[in-house]
Amino acid sequence: DGGITQSPKYLFRKEGQNVTLSCEQNLNHDAMYWYRQDPGQGLRLIYYSQIVNDFQKGDIAEGYSVSREKKESFPLTVTSAQKNPTAFYLCASTRDRGPYGYTFGSGTRLTVV
Amino acid sequence: AQSVTQLDSQVPVFEEAPVELRCNYSSSVSVYLFWYVQYPNQGLQLLLKYLSGSTLVKGINGFEAEFNKSQTSFHLRKPSVHISDTAEYFCAVSTTSNTGKLIFGQGTTLQVKP
Repeated sequence: DGGITQSPKYLFRKEGQNVTLSCEQNLNHDAMYWYRQDPGQGLRLIYYSQIVNDFQKGDIAEGYSVSREKKESFPLTVTSAQKNPTAFYLCASTRDRGPYGYTFGSGTRLTVV
Repeated sequence: AQSVTQLDSQVPVFEEAPVELRCNYSSSVSVYLFWYVQYPNQGLQLLLKYLSGSTLVKGINGFEAEFNKSQTSFHLRKPSVHISDTAEYFCAVSTTSNTGKLIFGQGTTLQVKP
């Protein structure tokens, strides 16, 4: 079955370290998104990419970086510049720019220790 | 710019009772509207969506929502809830400008009690 795979499910990071969250999809979707979820704040857009080798900042891009070298993959790096990285991170994809809604991965919970 | 407001952060309800989760949006252009459900430590699953046509939209698990353009609302309803409906629900909007981006509300936690 097609879907989005996020790994790892749980991730622990020491302060000052960069970590990379994986997101892979086999849906042949063009667009991919990264959201951060904090309690009571809904989902906030970090970065998105609508085509390979191109991506745009979302509302809270500071302290994060992404790449889109393949259509299937959209990894997110949480850098040491992100001051409060503990959160639940969700990756999503959609077929193209149309109104199809998103398919979501199961998320990665990142905790700074 | 678009925005979404979910008017209740938590909604407690007894099993088999009806429920309504409220969502209002703000947009200067035409919109598409979505409701998603999230179970603990999982991703979001699409419940239903309004793109055009009939303002009453039926989704999965017995949920439905009504688009009201004059009141800029898209409230989610279920006539009889089950314990298994306990989850967080998100309303989302995208515009017809074809960017594909979704703007989410803050979420409503539905707590179904026995």
